Amino acid sequence: QKEVEQDPGPLSVPEGAIVSLNCTYSNSAFQYFMWYRQYSRKGPELLMYTYSSGNKEDGRFTAQVDKSSKYISLFIRDSQPSDSATYLCAMSYGLGGSQGNLIFGKGTKLSVKP
Amino acid sequence: DAGITQSPRYKITETGRQVTLMCHQTWSHSYMFWYRQDLGHGLRLIYYSAAADITDKGEVPDGYVVSRSKTENFPLTLESATRSQTSVYFCASSEASGSIFTDTQYFGPGTRLTVL
Repeated sequence: QKEVEQDPGPLSVPEGAIVSLNCTYSNSAFQYFMWYRQYSRKGPELLMYTYSSGNKEDGRFTAQVDKSSKYISLFIRDSQPSDSATYLCAMSYGLGGSQGNLIFGKGTKLSVKP
Repeated sequence: DAGITQSPRYKITETGRQVTLMCHQTWSHSYMFWYRQDLGHGLRLIYYSAAADITDKGEVPDGYVVSRSKTENFPLTLESATRSQTSVYFCASSEASGSIFTDTQYFGPGTRLTVL
């Protein structure tokens, strides 16, 4: 079993829909959880990060971590065509040094239709 | 231009040839990383470097060699390219000083490598 599992999709939604993207993981030692967004033929860029369990909101984006279930989610409200991209979850055991090395999910390709 | 750059952006080579992918960052970040991205596998860490002359293996290091003589450069060499090394390669850098604010990894635009 891979350490981080993510449904690759693709996921297609109409503009304005609420999008839910999810990852599960197997190692309870992960402490930091991130979501990266990757546009076609570009490098990934950090969208949001969360430490341990809880929620974090940034505009239309909400990240949730449930460490008891080893499950993380990214919600996008009022989705826009500009949100069309591949979303990668990533996690690390800590910060600094090799503890900060990221383990990525496979990514979910999202398409928001006008 | 400031940031992280990769060259070449596209490369086609033949099996058995040596190929070097270049990565350059202007932030003086201490940490640099090489990933490969493949359908069905996502991003996988090949090698990383904590500072000049300090490198370490990641998840998939076989067939690759790295060096880091200067902080700003981190070249990745495929000594004898194989078809299984056809992939998109991303370089990233990070301060990695122990704060979530400084440990963010910034990615380059990628190099699309095809081995025939």
